[in-house]
Amino acid sequence: EVQLVESGGGLVQPGGSLRLSCAASGFIFRSYTMNWVRQAPGKGLEWISYISTDSRDIHYADSVKGRFTISRDNSKNSLYLQMNNLRAGDTALYYCAKNQLGKHQQDYWGQGTLVTVSS
Amino acid sequence: DIQMTQSPSSVSASVGDTVTITCRASQGIRSWLAWYQQKPGKAPKLLIYEASTLLSGVPSRFSGSGSGTDFTLTISSLQPEDFATYFCQQADSFPLTFGGGTKVEIK
Repeated sequence: EVQLVESGGGLVQPGGSLRLSCAASGFIFRSYTMNWVRQAPGKGLEWISYISTDSRDIHYADSVKGRFTISRDNSKNSLYLQMNNLRAGDTALYYCAKNQLGKHQQDYWGQGTLVTVSS
Repeated sequence: DIQMTQSPSSVSASVGDTVTITCRASQGIRSWLAWYQQKPGKAPKLLIYEASTLLSGVPSRFSGSGSGTDFTLTISSLQPEDFATYFCQQADSFPLTFGGGTKVEIK
């Protein structure tokens, strides 16, 4: 069974940093591209970052470019999101999401970890 | 960036009804369109990819169509478990973008 478990969320002040983690199991992690998608409270879905299987191809939404860094450790079956210079607008539930093989649709999602940016 | 416009933003329907949701892309995305279902407090679930291909296990009352810029999700014979919010997503190019969502509510 595919499982994606996010952790690392919490309350942080504006300008602060957090590192989110996603532990993957139930599939060959190194073979699948991965994403982070977020959802502000009561709002829609916002894709924020993608990473290829070998970490050579990475993309970001403009809203986080230069502040967030996606990475993965295939030896640990883990995905990460380093978030710096956080703003109130980054407050959201952050989902780790696995792509279908060779595609850009997300066929499995974690339950999310909540990030709240507030003073 | 490709903008995805979904309509309606909400729809009230009864069990047994047919509901149609549309999604328009600001530029052509071939058939790289996915539909997701999200229930309150839950993560989204992929229903349809490549505009019309049902994910394994998704009931056949769900169907998708379209290509280029205009797409449709149809739910035939609405069931109680179908009341949820539906999002389209273009998977043609980065940044991937979602539509604003359509909430299907009980009439």
